[in-house]
Amino acid sequence: GQQLNQSPQSMFIQEGEDVSMNCTSSSIFNTWLWYKQDPGEGPVLLIALYKAGELTSNGRLTAQFGITRKDSFLNISASIPSDVGIYFCAGLDNYGQNFVFGPGTRLSVLP
Amino acid sequence: EAGVTQSPTHLIKTRGQQATLRCSPISGHTSVYWYQQALGLGLQFLLWYDEGEERNRGNFPPRFSGRQFPNYSSELNVNALELEDSALYLCASSLAGGAGTQYFGPGTRLTVL
Repeated sequence: GQQLNQSPQSMFIQEGEDVSMNCTSSSIFNTWLWYKQDPGEGPVLLIALYKAGELTSNGRLTAQFGITRKDSFLNISASIPSDVGIYFCAGLDNYGQNFVFGPGTRLSVLP
Repeated sequence: EAGVTQSPTHLIKTRGQQATLRCSPISGHTSVYWYQQALGLGLQFLLWYDEGEERNRGNFPPRFSGRQFPNYSSELNVNALELEDSALYLCASSLAGGAGTQYFGPGTRLTVL
């Protein structure tokens, strides 16, 4: 089946630094979503992308739908302690039936 | 507007018992999805219900089942519980069947002893 890969698996950054993470696949996806999950809670939707090449911002977060439709990127600028958590990407499969979730990127922010 | 709600928050069972988890979608959403998230791992797709019908299921044994009620709320049942069923069970809902953006509930933490 279709799979998503996320990199890096985990990252430690200093407060105030910018962060970049990505999500890749060998398959084409029609929609990309980025979620953040705090420990023990459900994922919260951050950004949704619907068109190839689309660049969307939500506060300090910016995400892009790759032009090949096989990848997406999430950037966080000027990180703060509450950015800590796991970031998941999800892609809508070819059949438009289900979202496939990546394994997540675990972000730690050091003061 | 209320988000996706799940109950109970925590559930403790012993091996061989049955567990029932409940989910209420966002008002107006007709699709409900269930995911299993074992500790430290990603989301594994379990089941998708839309308009009362099971539309798709993930690679889980038949002892994982569920249903969707006329008011679009949903139940996940896990029979003959095993230790490895211990996980956070997440429910999500969406507007359009399958292709709609999914919004998640807070999850039910199931512990099997």
